[in-house]
Amino acid sequence: AQSVTQLGSHVSVSEGALVLLRCNYSSSVPPYLFWYVQYPNQGLQLLLKYTSAATLVKGINGFEAEFKKSETSFHLTKPSAHMSDAAEYFCAVSLALTDKLIFGTGTRLQVFP
Amino acid sequence: GAVVSQHPSWVICKSGTSVKIECRSLDFQATTMFWYRQFPKQSLMLMATSNEGSKATYEQGVEKDKFLINHASLTLSTLTVTSAHPEDSSFYICSAQTRYRGGGIMASNQPQHFGDGTRLSIL
Repeated sequence: AQSVTQLGSHVSVSEGALVLLRCNYSSSVPPYLFWYVQYPNQGLQLLLKYTSAATLVKGINGFEAEFKKSETSFHLTKPSAHMSDAAEYFCAVSLALTDKLIFGTGTRLQVFP
Repeated sequence: GAVVSQHPSWVICKSGTSVKIECRSLDFQATTMFWYRQFPKQSLMLMATSNEGSKATYEQGVEKDKFLINHASLTLSTLTVTSAHPEDSSFYICSAQTRYRGGGIMASNQPQHFGDGTRLSIL
């Protein structure tokens, strides 16, 4: 069975600081990995996805994530946080693009001025 | 980009009422739609997967007679919560995906695109 674990339900950073949101996965086969962002009372927006191509994946809004098989990790980073980045972030895993998504429990990012 | 519209965005109704939520793909053909449920401050849980023209596949523990899913066209799927009760209050989110038949199996080169969700409150 597949699963993802997001370490830290809340992360707070200052505006301009590095953002690091952690995600570790468990999968018996090479996984597809995703990061989604959710703003209050809205659905999910795809930030980026890993589909077994380049291990460093660049997404929208300046976010990127690196797939590290040895560490079974897919952490999300952004060099400089903006106030508009404050939201809930979900890591998800699937066996294929057509497979169902298994979501982590989410990390709420707060950005302070 | 791919746009998925969900309607209504918020609904409040009395216990025992049936509520219908619509999920539309506005600029692409959604061969497959997914329905998720999200409790406050929790993650999304998949309820069911529906393919156009077929019966939905429900996840374990989801009552198919309680949550009726119809996917009659390539741009519309509906979720009807029948005889809703307060415990059905939640945030319901749909997503849509285009799949194609390749090598005898259904494949896709696109991720799921999500709607903005429907907040359902049952009094």
